[in-house]
Amino acid sequence: DIQMTQSPSSLSASVGDRVTITCRASQGLRNRLAWYQQKPEKAPKSLIYDVSSLQSGVPSRFSGRGSETEFTLTISSLQPEDFATYYCQQYNSYPLTFGGGTKVEIK
Amino acid sequence: QVQLVESGGGVVQPGGSLRLSCAASGFIFNNYDMHWVRQAPGKGLEWVAFIRYDGSNIQYIDSVKGRFTISRDNSNNALYLQMNSLRPEDTALYYCAKDFGNWANWFDPWGQGTLVTVSS
Repeated sequence: DIQMTQSPSSLSASVGDRVTITCRASQGLRNRLAWYQQKPEKAPKSLIYDVSSLQSGVPSRFSGRGSETEFTLTISSLQPEDFATYYCQQYNSYPLTFGGGTKVEIK
Repeated sequence: QVQLVESGGGVVQPGGSLRLSCAASGFIFNNYDMHWVRQAPGKGLEWVAFIRYDGSNIQYIDSVKGRFTISRDNSNNALYLQMNSLRPEDTALYYCAKDFGNWANWFDPWGQGTLVTVSS
């Protein structure tokens, strides 16, 4: 199984800050990585797929990059609606696996 | 728009069974692969099962193999998860999720979930 490790597990930031979340895979993913946002009591929502492709309707302040085993999600200027938990997910092989999540909180 | 509505959750004793359903609308159901993903209370996301659009390929996480069965009824736009021999560690919110398309294996969108509680 491919293990996905996210860091940090939580962070505090202010509106307007640039925020970067890291996701590391235990083996190469051939760019098969997605990111999701989950707000409290809500279902996850897809943000990015194939490492860096922005899902339709997602603001351009979100971006993804990386390759093989190390990936990042960056929010260029944090907005109030961005406070949430973020998960990475690999879809290179079964079982499909998620990172443990990064909770972005208001400073 | 795409809508996924799960049902069938509840409280069940260890060793019991439940059948979850997911009613799909707003897209051509029999063109899309589907997944179940779960989230234990206060915890992260865990993929559970996958079924190809025509049922020709099915995958499970190891911890549910032999106990859970994913299926679909394309004539009724419905996805199912039959859960047998339930354990306390199966307690979670179970989400139905549409595959993005063409065996992408990532999820968009997700339903709102149905809660399964396994407890004596």
